[in-house]
Amino acid sequence: QQQVKQSPQSLIVQKGGISIINCAYENTAFDYFPWYQQFPGKGPALLIAIRPDVSEKKEGRFTISFNKSAKQFSLHIMDSQPGDSATYFCAAVPFGNEKLTFGTGTRLTIIP
Amino acid sequence: NAGVTQNPKFQVLKTGQSMTLQCAQDMNHNSMYWYRQDPGMGLRLIYYSASEGTTDKGEVPNGYNVSRLNKREFSLRLESAAPSQTSVYFCASSKRAGYGYTFGSGTRLTVV
Repeated sequence: QQQVKQSPQSLIVQKGGISIINCAYENTAFDYFPWYQQFPGKGPALLIAIRPDVSEKKEGRFTISFNKSAKQFSLHIMDSQPGDSATYFCAAVPFGNEKLTFGTGTRLTIIP
Repeated sequence: NAGVTQNPKFQVLKTGQSMTLQCAQDMNHNSMYWYRQDPGMGLRLIYYSASEGTTDKGEVPNGYNVSRLNKREFSLRLESAAPSQTSVYFCASSKRAGYGYTFGSGTRLTVV
């Protein structure tokens, strides 16, 4: 049973464009929503995270948009660069809970 | 800073063989986790340890055992390897439940 649904599975974006990855969840107990970035041969690394008390969080070219009523959140990468090519995972966890649940991942490729 | 160190990086096992995957962290984190990553399935939690001396099952614990040897070390054991356990295994740690995971670089395991 997949608690966090992520789409698309793969995404190709031109350099300078906006990359958008979407996630949806069912468990209303989730209250922390991180995104992880993974390069080939490496472990995932925390990229950016949001709590449900805000609708948007921005860090440099990376923005999380959060829609609590729709139980959806998305990652936007502005001015996408070839160095952003990686696999991105959304995740969610209830407060104080050890069981961080990951989406299935999106393989992002930025082409020149 | 080493962060989270996993050994070995690669391993090939025959069906029925046993092995232990080693993980150590030097960040004084309380919580440690073992995940497996399979294509199209994201990262799935096998076991976790919220503190030294405690371990709990995650989403896919069957066929695995764990030991939290001390605060630094958390090992994963396959008693009788099966081809279905072919995967990339990641160890992670966090200062507090569910937040800010630091991942190791993974162990790529093939069971033939």
